[in-house]
Amino acid sequence: SQELEQSPQSLIVQEGKNLTINCTSSKTLYGLYWYKQKYGEGLIFLMMLQKGGEEKSHEKITAKLDEKKQQSSLHITASQPSHAGIYLCGADMNAGTYKYIFGTGTRLKVLA
Amino acid sequence: NAGVMQNPRHLVRRRGQEARLRCSPMKGHSHVYWYRQLPEEGLKFMVYLQKENIIDESGMPKERFSAEFPKEGPSILRIQQVVRGDSAAYFCASSPRAGDLADTQYFGPGTRLTVL
Repeated sequence: SQELEQSPQSLIVQEGKNLTINCTSSKTLYGLYWYKQKYGEGLIFLMMLQKGGEEKSHEKITAKLDEKKQQSSLHITASQPSHAGIYLCGADMNAGTYKYIFGTGTRLKVLA
Repeated sequence: NAGVMQNPRHLVRRRGQEARLRCSPMKGHSHVYWYRQLPEEGLKFMVYLQKENIIDESGMPKERFSAEFPKEGPSILRIQQVVRGDSAAYFCASSPRAGDLADTQYFGPGTRLTVL
C-alpha cells in the first residue's frame, strides 16, 4: 500500500480558480516536501514543512502541515497556466533519514 | 549556481546492452541520491552515496544495477544487460548533508531510459 496518498490524482481547473491538493500519511511525518514536476525538467522544490501546524507561502502557493503531522495540503490561489504540472509530496518518515517517500502525484491542468 | 545536472536526458538501449547514467550534484553538495520513477508509479529510492562511498543501496535491484560516486567526476548509475522492465525515468538528487531537515534534496531533470 502507498505510504503517502495524494488526492485528487488529477485536476482540471479554469484559469483564475483556486484549488487544493492533499497529501495524507498513516504515520507521523518527520518532514514534508512539496515538489512540482514538469516533463523534461525534473522536480522543482517548492516548500518544506516540519512543524505541526506550520504554514508556508510562496507567491500564490500555500502549503500547510496539520498538527498531527500526518496530512498536508497545497493550495493555489488564482491559478494560472504556468501552474500546470504534476505536484508531488515527499516525506521523511523517520528522523535523520534520507529516503524520501513520494506520493503518486497530482496532475494539474489549468485551462486558459 | 547550476542545479543538479544529469545526462543523457534520453537514452535508448536494446535488451542486453548496458546503460550508464550520469549525475553531477549541485556545487557544494557531497551527497547524492538516485530515484527511479516507473510508468504510473511514484518515485522510489534506489541508492544514497557520498564521495567514494555507498551509504545505502537498499532500494537497488540485487542484480545488474550498480552505482558509484568517485572522488572526481559525476556519480554513475550503471545498468547491465538491460531489460524492458528497466524502462523508466531515473532521477538524481543532491544535498549538502543528509539526515537534517534543513538539507532538502534538489533534483535533476532526470534521464529517461527506453529499452527496446
